[in-house]
Amino acid sequence: KAGVTQTPRYLIKTRGQQVTLSCSPISGHRSVSWYQQTPGQGLQFLFEYFSETQRNKGNFPGRFSGRQFSNSRSEMNVSTLELGDSALYLCASNNLGGSGRNNEQFFGPGTRLTVL
Amino acid sequence: QQPVQSPQAVILREGEDAVINCSSSKALYSVHWYRQKHGEAPVFLMILLKGGEQKGHEKISASFNEKKQQSSLYLTASQLSYSGTYFCGTEIKAGSQGNLIFGKGTKLSVKP
Repeated sequence: KAGVTQTPRYLIKTRGQQVTLSCSPISGHRSVSWYQQTPGQGLQFLFEYFSETQRNKGNFPGRFSGRQFSNSRSEMNVSTLELGDSALYLCASNNLGGSGRNNEQFFGPGTRLTVL
Repeated sequence: QQPVQSPQAVILREGEDAVINCSSSKALYSVHWYRQKHGEAPVFLMILLKGGEQKGHEKISASFNEKKQQSSLYLTASQLSYSGTYFCGTEIKAGSQGNLIFGKGTKLSVKP
């Protein structure tokens, strides 16, 4: 089956601009999580969507937002970009929560955002 | 609240075994393990739920001791392909669905 796709793969923006990243999960997965990865802070959870609803949110400012569409595709938006927002943004397609063996999570290749 | 991983780095020869530990100061609902190679996205290895189960994935297995709030990842008969950085991600409550707090990672290098 097709994997998780993220677009764009690379992005260069300047401070103050906004950016929208897209993620298409694996067919059948209704949950999508977003993570930020930086050398200094490591992997950090941003938020998680399930059936178009945000179920969980990490400790990030309100400039970071997201949404999920009826086809499970998800977008995240960062407004008023700051230099510190430069990072790899990872989307994960989830089938988690059950006690059985079918728990799985697949990451997309990520979007490398550079803020100048 | 961030789990502590140990060791920070380990170098192995092919065929050797390794153990990576992940300890939390909070009671845990689940522990997730990932491997990430340089320049690539993390790869989900396994999830261990509250209950102390041990799971396996090829020659990689893990245990979860909820009383000690820690998990260990066991790599046996290591292969060159096992090289990478291993992360644990912890959930402190059921239903938090991917709201993980990650450790800083353990860099594993397997030499021929």
